[in-house]
Amino acid sequence: GENVEQHPSTLSVQEGDSAVIKCTYSDSASNYFPWYKQELGKRPQLIIDIRSNVGEKKDQRIAVTLNKTAKHFSLHITETQPEDSAVYFCRPSVSNDYKLSFGAGTTVTVRA
Amino acid sequence: DVKVTQSSRYLVKRTGEKVFLECVQDMDHENMFWYRQDPGLGLRLIYFSYDVKMKEKGDIPEGYSVSREKKERFSLILESASTNQTSMYLCASSFSQAANYGYTFGSGTRLTVV
Repeated sequence: GENVEQHPSTLSVQEGDSAVIKCTYSDSASNYFPWYKQELGKRPQLIIDIRSNVGEKKDQRIAVTLNKTAKHFSLHITETQPEDSAVYFCRPSVSNDYKLSFGAGTTVTVRA
Repeated sequence: DVKVTQSSRYLVKRTGEKVFLECVQDMDHENMFWYRQDPGLGLRLIYFSYDVKMKEKGDIPEGYSVSREKKERFSLILESASTNQTSMYLCASSFSQAANYGYTFGSGTRLTVV
């Protein structure tokens, strides 16, 4: 099965600074690369995703970049705000692969 | 705007009870999933279903069963609840079997078994 590693496991940033979380994977057939955000006490929500035919995607202050050769993709958050404090999960996948658990994610804390 | 609804937000059950967790989605999604979330362990897949009456085991199916009689509803059953099943249970759905789509999660059910 797919081995997925997410780094760092915790990240503390000053409000207004940028945050970057990296997700590495093992299966070169992976073709879908989403990021989820889970605020404290709330459900995980898909915030951005990218497919293997695209290298970068941006949505306001968040962006995802993909490096298929190196088998990693990253979440970038610019101008961080307190509401960005959450746990972030990556979960790359291959078509028709449903047996997907999620790791412990990255806990991001934005300091005011 | 709610798309995936879990019937209970909090539940307290006694050891040995049979427990039903219900999940309903209104997006006509083919795939539905049950996860449990524990501190430091992430979201672990219990069971998933890619069609009505179809089900497959995830990573931790022991002690659980599921039922999907209608496309929109996916039930998780704890046949005989035990204290180690105290956890947050999350239901999710996604659009298609053939291609990858993101998951929509329910708000979760926090189950305590005493």
